[in-house]
Amino acid sequence: DAGITQSPRHKVTETGTPVTLRCHQTENHRYMYWYRQDPGHGLRLIHYSYGVKDTDKGEVSDGYSVSRSKTEDFLLTLESATSSQTSVYFCAIRPQPTRLGPSSYEQYFGPGTRLTVT
Amino acid sequence: GDSVTQMEGPVTLSEEAFLTINCTYTATGYPSLFWYVQYPGEGLQLLLKATKADDKGSNKGFEATYRKETTSFHLEKGSVQVSDSAVYFCALSANNFNKFYFGSGTKLNVKP
Repeated sequence: DAGITQSPRHKVTETGTPVTLRCHQTENHRYMYWYRQDPGHGLRLIHYSYGVKDTDKGEVSDGYSVSRSKTEDFLLTLESATSSQTSVYFCAIRPQPTRLGPSSYEQYFGPGTRLTVT
Repeated sequence: GDSVTQMEGPVTLSEEAFLTINCTYTATGYPSLFWYVQYPGEGLQLLLKATKADDKGSNKGFEATYRKETTSFHLEKGSVQVSDSAVYFCALSANNFNKFYFGSGTKLNVKP
C-alpha cells in the first residue's frame, strides 16, 4: 500500500461544469502522476509533477490543468467538462531511489475516480 | 518514440491451463519493464518487474523475462486459477524515468 487516496471515487457532472479531482499521498513522494483509463487505450498520461509547483504535460493534457501546492496533494482540474472526458482517472506516485541500489522507477497507483460527464 | 504492444484479449482459459500474454516494446536506451494487474473496480497493482536484459521478474507464480534481442517481456504462468481473472498491463519506464508507457491491456478470464 503506497498510501494513495483519491477523491471523490465516483462523480457525475454535466457538460460545461468545472471538476476537480484530488490525489493525496502520505509518504512524501516527489513524483506524482495523473492518468486516464479508457477501453482499448490502456492508461494515458495527462500530467505529472516532479515537486511542489513543478508540473509537466503528458500525452493527453488538452482540457486538463493541474496544481501541486504541497507535496502530499496533486489536483487535476477539468475547467469545462466534456463528454469525451468521461473516464476512470488514476493517480500514481513514483518512489525515490534509495541508497540500497538502483531503482526500477516503478509507479504505484491509487484506487481511481470514475467520472461521468453527461 | 517509446511504446508497448501487447496481445489483444480477451484470453479465456480453463483452470490449471498454461498462460502466456505477449508483450513487445520499442524504446531507446535501457528501459525497465513491468507487468501490472487490475482486478475489477480496483487500481493497478505491480505484479512483477525487470530492470535489465535477461532479468526474470516473478511473483505469485507469474514470470516474465526481459529479452533485449527480441524486445519482449512475455508474461507466463504454469497453472492459472479462477482468481487470476483480471486485466494485465505491460509497461515500460522510459529512459528519462519520468514517464511510463502502457500497453492497452489484456483481459484474462479463467473458467472453473
